[in-house]
Amino acid sequence: NAGVTQTPKFQVLKTGQSMTLQCAQDMNHNSMYWYRQDPGMGLRLIYYSASEGTTDKGEVPNGYNVSRLNKREFSLRLESAAPSQTSVYFCASNLGPDNQPQHFGDGTRLSIL
Amino acid sequence: AQSVSQHNHHVILSEAASLELGCNYSYGGTVNLFWYVQYPGQHLQLLLKYFSGDPLVKGIKGFEAEFIKSKFSFNLRKPSVQWSDTAEYFCAAYTGGFKTIFGAGTRLFVKA
Repeated sequence: NAGVTQTPKFQVLKTGQSMTLQCAQDMNHNSMYWYRQDPGMGLRLIYYSASEGTTDKGEVPNGYNVSRLNKREFSLRLESAAPSQTSVYFCASNLGPDNQPQHFGDGTRLSIL
Repeated sequence: AQSVSQHNHHVILSEAASLELGCNYSYGGTVNLFWYVQYPGQHLQLLLKYFSGDPLVKGIKGFEAEFIKSKFSFNLRKPSVQWSDTAEYFCAAYTGGFKTIFGAGTRLFVKA
């Protein structure tokens, strides 16, 4: 079982460039999430998708957009990257409702110069 | 605002020492609690969870946690740590809606 797959694993961007982070899960989960992880701050929710066709803002949505392409895929887009967006990004999924444990991908380490 | 606080940011132990990592949450209603572990270079994995019932929860790899409602706490324990337990540990709380709140994490280093 692949679980939650994220691509790419590493990326370096210049300020102002755009990029899409991809996430796919093969567990037939309803809900999917994007987090960023910064030192000393734990995981902060950027956006989530409770079910196919819906997306909602989390704690830190500014500068990001998302698309729930289908039940399996949930992408995160940076339209104009800024150095403050340098972070490790994790995608997660669960059956929903949200009180179920989340399954995480391996993360994308993103550096904005 | 709802929050999850982890008392120690860094913990260093020798092998065979006992471990207790503190976690407190700020929410007066029903809460579901989790501990996740992140080994170096890997993704977060579920260690254990508490939804209801017995407040002493046992998880994988010999870890356990105790939910004390009166103290709003959910501390993680292990009687004897191993070098392979070196990792970052996250406490998390689900209080409703589609948002799980994560603590800042505790980095554990176990000396062989």
